[in-house]
Amino acid sequence: LAKTTQPISMDSYEGQEVNITCSHNNIATNDYITWYQQFPSQGPRFIIQGYKTKVTNEVASLFIPADRKSSTLSLPRVSLSDTAVYYCLVGATGFQKLVFGTGTRLLVSP
Amino acid sequence: GAGVSQTPSNKVTEKGKYVELRCDPISGHTALYWYRQSLGQGPEFLIYFQGTGAADDSGLPNDRFFAVRPEGSVSTLKIQRTERGDSAVYLCASSLSTGDEQYFGPGTRLTVT
Repeated sequence: LAKTTQPISMDSYEGQEVNITCSHNNIATNDYITWYQQFPSQGPRFIIQGYKTKVTNEVASLFIPADRKSSTLSLPRVSLSDTAVYYCLVGATGFQKLVFGTGTRLLVSP
Repeated sequence: GAGVSQTPSNKVTEKGKYVELRCDPISGHTALYWYRQSLGQGPEFLIYFQGTGAADDSGLPNDRFFAVRPEGSVSTLKIQRTERGDSAVYLCASSLSTGDEQYFGPGTRLTVT
């Protein structure tokens, strides 16, 4: 599975837009990009998945450039409750073993 | 509906003891996964079941670790002769079928003293 690189931590304030970028230079043709969110003392939760261009749902947007070597998770107007660890995963859709890196710890302050 | 539940939520045991961790998946989910998460790290895959059979146990660190799912629903992760390095949060997830979105439980925090 393709290795991913993300910032260790990010800080933001309530109401701001947060963009977390993930590098995955060795992404394979049949790989999808998936983002998970994890709150303290909880298991990870699926946020969004995409293959190319842009995907948007009620929680976030995912931007993937044409070369697919990176992706950006965009969280609009964050609130304190968005403080969590965000993981970028790369793998073929339908893969069973989720491979997590160390994630990005987002801290949202008032 | 009810999500994935795990019991106990916390388990403290002495080095060398045997422990069992239980996972109740979402009703109707045929696939079940176990992960282990150490402090400051992302979850690490251990094993997954499709139905009653272990389809992939490549993540189990050694033969002290074993998992069962005898009726295709509840699963138990068993750790023999626990070591301090086994201390971690053990997460269980389930999905409707293999490859579908995985829903995680809150985990069991295991501390080996």
